Amino acid sequence: DSGVTQTPKHLITATGQRVTLRCSPRSGDLSVYWYQQSLDQGLQFLIHYYNGEERAKGNILERFSAQQFPDLHSELNLSSLELGDSALYFCASSDLTGRETQYFGPGTRLLVL
Amino acid sequence: AQSVAQPEDQVNVAEGNPLTVKCTYSVSGNPYLFWYVQYPNRGLQFLLKYITGDNLVKGSYGFEAEFNKSQTSFHLKKPSALVSDSALYFCAVRDTANTGFQKLVFGTGTRLLVSP
Repeated sequence: DSGVTQTPKHLITATGQRVTLRCSPRSGDLSVYWYQQSLDQGLQFLIHYYNGEERAKGNILERFSAQQFPDLHSELNLSSLELGDSALYFCASSDLTGRETQYFGPGTRLLVL
Repeated sequence: AQSVAQPEDQVNVAEGNPLTVKCTYSVSGNPYLFWYVQYPNRGLQFLLKYITGDNLVKGSYGFEAEFNKSQTSFHLKKPSALVSDSALYFCAVRDTANTGFQKLVFGTGTRLLVSP
């Protein structure tokens, strides 16, 4: 158990809908990262938050957004969902020492029908 | 831009034999290198990392990896494979030249199949 929790574990929804994925980092970690794992794209970095502030964006669609709250949990919002958004979404957390390991949660499996 | 290559989609090995899962990387600065393992329907589990120092890094479950700067490689090894090692293995790199950008870039993964 990495100490990173993600809810829900599974999500089935329809095209055009909006969903919210939630992540709680390990105790003491200020950084949260979101990654998407799909069969065609592999593991792709989406976005990084540190202590409530966005630090970096990767290949994140404009339909997707995220935020990190004062209690350090993070939410990834996916809107106007398309079939191609079906994937496994991982959250990872770390401290920010520069040599940190990112510890991953169990993921949320999203299926868009 | 940083990148990672895992040239083998699958590695097959018999239980008790040594295993190697290959990884090469490309960065502009010095690399931080990581290996993760993913079991079916599970998240990524951290195995080991190279930051600096000794080129041979020891990690969880008897795995080790050797950093080779001249060959830009970071191959994962284990002296004696177990059936329970069967899983998907990912190599990842962070480029220290981008100090403000903490993302990991992952390889495509190598499926390890250990037969009894």
